Amino acid sequence: TQLLEQSPQFLSIQEGENLTVYCNSSSVFSSLQWYRQEPGEGPVLLVTVVTGGEVKKLKRLTFQFGDARKDSSLHITAAQPGDTGLYLCAGRAGQAGTALIFGKGTTLSVSS
Amino acid sequence: GAVVSQHPSRVICKSGTSVKIECRSLDFQATTMFWYRQFPKQSLMLMATSNEGSKATYEQGVEKDKFLINHASLTLSTLTVTSAHPEDSSFYICSAFLPGNTIYFGEGSWLTVV
Repeated sequence: TQLLEQSPQFLSIQEGENLTVYCNSSSVFSSLQWYRQEPGEGPVLLVTVVTGGEVKKLKRLTFQFGDARKDSSLHITAAQPGDTGLYLCAGRAGQAGTALIFGKGTTLSVSS
Repeated sequence: GAVVSQHPSRVICKSGTSVKIECRSLDFQATTMFWYRQFPKQSLMLMATSNEGSKATYEQGVEKDKFLINHASLTLSTLTVTSAHPEDSSFYICSAFLPGNTIYFGEGSWLTVV
């Protein structure tokens, strides 16, 4: 069973601060995705990374996939209250069409 | 708009009864759908893989006789929670692959067993 260890589990910061969320595994993933989820709704895809060492930016969010494709990070610059939510990393270890396995999630709270 | 639709979005049932949740792919055929369960402030846990025309594949620890999955058509998978108990109260989410291998999630279904 592939496991994704996500940390920290909870993060409470002030507006304007930077933060990094980590997602680590002992398994190699063919692709890794980051989602954001609001309470009572399904997760919304933020980004997919597929190449080792890949870095993708989405406004103030920077996503990185480890060279060995076993880990990933999400960095948020100058966090805003609107960034508050549950952030989930999810990986697909097998071939296309296999299920996503999720990390435990990081609950982020940004206060003004 | 939504490409994967779940129904109902919220359901309350009495302990001991069964409840069915539907997951539909809109405007595309989904031979494989996935069912997840999510408890409050926790992550999504994969329950089972629903395969059109064949038996579902359940994850370890998920009771197949309690969580019945039927994928009778290419656009519909159903999850039936049988003999529901309060500990089955949770947020259930389905997902499906679009052509091109993009995965989309349904809106989720809140189940409360009283």
